[in-house]
Amino acid sequence: NAGVMQNPRHLVRRRGQEARLRCSPMKGHSHVYWYRQLPEEGLKFMVYLQKENIIDESGMPKERFSAEFPKEGPSILRIQQVVRGDSAAYFCASSPIATGAQNTGELFFGEGSRLTVL
Amino acid sequence: AQSVTQPDIHITVSEGASLELRCNYSYGATPYLFWYVQSPGQGLQLLLKYFSGDTLVQGIKGFEAEFKRSQSSFNLRKPSVHWSDAAEYFCAVVPYSGGYQKVTFGIGTKLQVIP
Repeated sequence: NAGVMQNPRHLVRRRGQEARLRCSPMKGHSHVYWYRQLPEEGLKFMVYLQKENIIDESGMPKERFSAEFPKEGPSILRIQQVVRGDSAAYFCASSPIATGAQNTGELFFGEGSRLTVL
Repeated sequence: AQSVTQPDIHITVSEGASLELRCNYSYGATPYLFWYVQSPGQGLQLLLKYFSGDTLVQGIKGFEAEFKRSQSSFNLRKPSVHWSDAAEYFCAVVPYSGGYQKVTFGIGTKLQVIP
C-alpha cells in the first residue's frame, strides 16, 4: 500500500496519559501535515513539517502537543497529559511539494487515528 | 486570512435526484480550490480541483464543480445521486503564492441519500 499510513487507528487513553500518533507519508512525499477533526467542526490545521523541520505550527496548542518528522521513520504527533477535550480524530496528510506552490495544494490523507480519552 | 463557508451542514436528497453543495470562500485573489469526500471512518479523498482555466471542472465519481469569481463560489454538483454518495464533503482553499500556504477547510456538508 503506497498510501499515507497512520497508526494506531484507534487509541484509548485515560486522562493524564500520553498519546503518540504515527504517520508515514506516501512514498516520495516529504511534506507532512496534521489535522484534527471534531464533529461538525471540520478539519483544523495543526502543524506542517518537512524532514527534521517544523515549518508551520500555527495550529498547535501551546502546551502538551508536539510533533516531529525525523530524518528516518514516521512523523509523530505527541499529546502529553491528555484531557477529555483531546478526544478527536487526528488526520495526517502528505504532499510531494508544499501546498500553495504553483499548481499544487492537493493533500493525500491517511485514514486517521481516533483518540478517545476516558 | 482566507476562510471557507459551507452553509449547509446536512443535506438529504433522494437517490437519482440532482445535488448541489455550496462553497464560498473569502480571499483577496483567486485561490486554488478543492472538494474532498470523506466516507464514515475513512480519510479524505480528492474529488476535484481548480487551479485556473476552464471554470467548470470535472472530477471523479461523476462530480463536477463550477468556479464563479464574481460570487467567490465553487459549488459541487452531481446530476444524479447514488446511495454510495452518502458521505461528508469538504471544500478547501489554498492561496497561490509560489510558496507554502496553509490549506483551509470548510466545516463540511453531510449528505444523506434516501431511497
